Amino acid sequence: SQQGEEDPQALSIQEGENATMNCSYKTSINNLQWYRQNSGRGLVHLILIRSNEREKHSGRLRVTLDTSKKSSSLLITASRAADTASYFCATAIYNQGGKLIFGQGTELSVKP
Amino acid sequence: DAGITQSPRYKITETGRQVTLMCHQTWSHSYMFWYRQDLGHGLRLIYYSAAADITDKGEVPDGYVVSRSKTENFPLTLESATRSQTSVYFCASRLGPPSTGQYFGPGTRLTVT
Repeated sequence: SQQGEEDPQALSIQEGENATMNCSYKTSINNLQWYRQNSGRGLVHLILIRSNEREKHSGRLRVTLDTSKKSSSLLITASRAADTASYFCATAIYNQGGKLIFGQGTELSVKP
Repeated sequence: DAGITQSPRYKITETGRQVTLMCHQTWSHSYMFWYRQDLGHGLRLIYYSAAADITDKGEVPDGYVVSRSKTENFPLTLESATRSQTSVYFCASRLGPPSTGQYFGPGTRLTVT
């Protein structure tokens, strides 16, 4: 069963624009993580936000978490063609060994 | 600095054959994971291991077997491959607490004919 649902499934923007991806989940979590996957490659960990945090920044990435709505968003500012990839949210529940449950991802295309 | 590697990268096998996918990490991470990625299903956890000789089932363990005799290796075996096991398989590792992210290998694309 999927924990995370991502929206939109696909997003196409121009270089320099901001990209926002949303993730909703069903059960209580300990942390939520975002990963990037370039075509034909493995996933790369981008950022982790704990359940007691509301916002976190890393470079051009901004993640928010609303545990009351069971949702998170990933904002990529000033996007570049190199940001073209699929982005996945994943939730972790510590008493289950910290296993990650992934959403189905958002496919981002940044056109030069 | 090899990190986490998987072999083979591509594999074609026939229904009913046994197949083993290898995963090796050089960081001495305690936790290791196997996922499969399919269109429409995203990534789903098959098995994971908290340490050598400790393994546990994930969401979709049926038809798969794992072992972990050494910290750095976590092979995944399909005992009798079926077409429904055609997928891309990813191995991942994590240093310790679940408050950190996972590191993923490059994946193995498996086709069962």
